[in-house]
Amino acid sequence: GAGVSQSPSNKVTEKGKDVELRCDPISGHTALYWYRQSLGQGLEFLIYFQGNSAPDKSGLPSDRFSAERTGGSVSTLTIQRTQQEDSAVYLCASSPTRTYEQYFGPGTRLTVT
Amino acid sequence: AQSVTQLDSQVPVFEEAPVELRCNYSSSVSVYLFWYVQYPNQGLQLLLKYLSGSTLVKGINGFEAEFNKSQTSFHLRKPSVHISDTAEYFCAVSEIGTDKLIFGTGTRLQVFP
Repeated sequence: GAGVSQSPSNKVTEKGKDVELRCDPISGHTALYWYRQSLGQGLEFLIYFQGNSAPDKSGLPSDRFSAERTGGSVSTLTIQRTQQEDSAVYLCASSPTRTYEQYFGPGTRLTVT
Repeated sequence: AQSVTQLDSQVPVFEEAPVELRCNYSSSVSVYLFWYVQYPNQGLQLLLKYLSGSTLVKGINGFEAEFNKSQTSFHLRKPSVHISDTAEYFCAVSEIGTDKLIFGTGTRLQVFP
């Protein structure tokens, strides 16, 4: 079946612009996660959605970052007023309920110039 | 809070030799343990996981890992590596009751002919 998809695969933006990154999880997966992979910081947890529960936002690095998940499926990660340190690969993962197996998408490479 | 330490940033090894990738974790609560692999230009893929039960867990592609609670370690091993095992390997933990992954900094396994 189809895996986790993310779009765009690459995004180049100017400092100060807003960007939206999209994640389509595997159908039926109740949990959705966003992570960031950068040279300086490695793989970092950003935010986690589980069903209808309030999201765990404890990993968001600043209030410029936000995410939503509509209809329990597609998720959008928004970065406002991008900075150069936001340059990274943003990874999305989804998971069936309580399997503790996360399936990762290919990522969106964000470059802020 | 949890943390994960992967002591070796790079491990060079010849084909058909055994390999061990080391992982130590720190946590004040019980955790689940995972190894993920990232092949060049590909997304993260789950290799194996430890949730409970036998401390020796077997994963895909001939890899196995052993959970040692007293040493807070979860080292990954393979008795005979192939060129195709060249990749970055990430150890991760999640606190029981939460699903977010805390990753180590990764170990790059380079297999030479």
